[in-house]
Amino acid sequence: ETGVTQTPRHLVMGMTNKKSLKCEQHLGHNAMYWYKQSAKKPLELMFVYSLEERVENNSVPSRFSPECPNSSHLFLHLHTLQPEDSALYLCASSQVGFDTFYEQYFGPGTRLTVT
Amino acid sequence: AQKITQTQPGMFVQEKEAVTLDCTYDTSDPSYGLFWYKQPSSGEMIFLIYQGSYDQQNATEGRYSLNFQKARKSANLVISASQLGDSAMYFCAMREGFSGGSNYKLTFGKGTLLTVNP
Repeated sequence: ETGVTQTPRHLVMGMTNKKSLKCEQHLGHNAMYWYKQSAKKPLELMFVYSLEERVENNSVPSRFSPECPNSSHLFLHLHTLQPEDSALYLCASSQVGFDTFYEQYFGPGTRLTVT
Repeated sequence: AQKITQTQPGMFVQEKEAVTLDCTYDTSDPSYGLFWYKQPSSGEMIFLIYQGSYDQQNATEGRYSLNFQKARKSANLVISASQLGDSAMYFCAMREGFSGGSNYKLTFGKGTLLTVNP
């Protein structure tokens, strides 16, 4: 596997279900990100993990719970979601440095539908 | 105020012609980076090109070049010799500053849908 992978690619869940999205990066990066992409809206940053510590949480509802067990893996645990949470969830990774900007590399996304 | 503005919801171009996708940005931070990403219908965001605020020359990567006009706060993407596979959404994004929580944040525009006609 190369780059950033995400599973599952598609997910349909009811509002009472619990599910998890998985992301894995094979690039040796030290930061990972969750983004939400809804129709006709700009990409929204949800969470950032740098060196396995959560460094940003963009006012995301508690029904979304991230987990970063190591620098290569990132999970997004979902429970009691709402229909408006239906979206494409993108994972990304990058190096982080304090004197330069590094591009983020994205996975293919998980298309989530909440019924 | 929006930090990244892409004023063209959709653009059409003939195969083999060049096309410019507009992006303007708003920041008071002297240190920032500008990125362009391509998103085909498959969903994956593909990094295309980067321009740093202190870079003296416009960035180029193959058929992609960035027309960086700092005083105008614009960072337009130029795609030369368009190909059918270039049909996709294109997003401009900015990262500001070197320190603090916003150090990690990429702010995206709403995107431009490019269609390349044969």
